Amino acid sequence: DIQLTQSPSFLSASVGDRVTITCRASQGIAGFLAWYQQKPGKAPTLLIYGASTLQSGVPSRFSGSGSGTEFTLTISSLQPEDFATYWCQQLHSDPFTFGPGTKVDIK
Amino acid sequence: QITLEESGPTLVKPTQTLTLTCTFSGFSLATSGVSVGWIRQPPGKALEWLAMIYWDDAKRYNPSLETRLTVTKDTSTTQAVLKMTNMDPADTATYYCAHRLYHSGTYCFDYWGPGILVTVSS
Repeated sequence: DIQLTQSPSFLSASVGDRVTITCRASQGIAGFLAWYQQKPGKAPTLLIYGASTLQSGVPSRFSGSGSGTEFTLTISSLQPEDFATYWCQQLHSDPFTFGPGTKVDIK
Repeated sequence: QITLEESGPTLVKPTQTLTLTCTFSGFSLATSGVSVGWIRQPPGKALEWLAMIYWDDAKRYNPSLETRLTVTKDTSTTQAVLKMTNMDPADTATYYCAHRLYHSGTYCFDYWGPGILVTVSS
């Protein structure tokens, strides 16, 4: 199985901050990585797929980059509605594992 | 417009079999390339991919749970079903179904159901 790690697991930030979350895969997954946002009590929503393609309707302050084993999700200017948990997922090979999550909280 | 919704029991007893149905609209599991995945999330914990069912009736399972899982689709191809045997309190989780998108050579789960919280308790 391909294992994913995320760092940090928790971050405290202020509105307007630039935030970067890293996801690392235990083996190369090319660009088969997606990022999701999840708010309490809700299903995850897709932000980024193919490592860097922004899902339709997602604000342009979100961006993704990386390939192989290291990926990043960046929020260029954190907004109040961005406080949530973020998950990466590899879709290179099954089982289609998720990372352990990064919770973004208000400083 | 794609929508999905999970349905089934919210409380099951240990050793029982859980059967969940994912009813969807806006796509068909008879269309080439379409697939539906099942994912679960224990309270306060991470997401775990469980299984996939594909338009051609191919199935893939998480090896850690493969002996307990069965996914099927109905003949109308507007529903997918997940069965999990021998339920345990550790299986208490919110269970999601999701539509898998294939686009530009990559994949993701682009639409999710709202989830159903299943509690395993005697």
